[in-house]
Amino acid sequence: DQQVKQNSPSLSVQEGRISILNCDYTNSMFDYFLWYKKYPAEGPTFLISISSIKDKNEDGRFTVFLNKSAKHLSLHIVPSQPGDSAVYFCAASAGNRDDKIIFGKGTRLHILP
Amino acid sequence: ETGVTQSPTHLIKTRGQQVTLRCSSQSGHNTVSWYQQALGQGPQFIFQYYREEENGRGNFPPRFSGLQFPNYSSELNVNALELDDSALYLCASSLSMGGDEDTIYFGEGSWLTVV
Repeated sequence: DQQVKQNSPSLSVQEGRISILNCDYTNSMFDYFLWYKKYPAEGPTFLISISSIKDKNEDGRFTVFLNKSAKHLSLHIVPSQPGDSAVYFCAASAGNRDDKIIFGKGTRLHILP
Repeated sequence: ETGVTQSPTHLIKTRGQQVTLRCSSQSGHNTVSWYQQALGQGPQFIFQYYREEENGRGNFPPRFSGLQFPNYSSELNVNALELDDSALYLCASSLSMGGDEDTIYFGEGSWLTVV
């Protein structure tokens, strides 16, 4: 059973527009959420995170929104740039040292010129 | 540059053989985790080591084993390789696992092909 779900396998967005990547989770014990970006043939790189005590975290062009009641989070990228084309993984953990990070299957973002 | 290096980057093994993958973490990073990423999937947690002891394990059989050394390096060993073990294996390290103050650093992975 998938605890972290990214229901859109791919997404195409025009350069300069907003990219919105969505993620749903089922485990109410999760209290720390992360987004990773992955280019082909490379390992994932950390992008941005959010703790469950917040509903928004912003870092430059990247903003993550958390809706705990809906168990939903989203990553907004604005404006989208060609270098943003990659696979984006949503991940969650319970925030304790002994807990593993659970990844979604990823969404491939393609920025169109 | 994450400071986490993995070797080898690519290798091919025959079904039934054994393989050892290596990871060198950042100095001071007491936690290392290994992930398996099959094509079209997100990384799946294999196990985690903290100060040389396994302290978490995912849904992988015992033929997947690991070691963590005092010099912040670690190994993933897989015995009796099966075709489905073909995947990208990722190593990740951090000061401790989880929490707002922590960042997890991934290596670039080792691509294993089992034929």
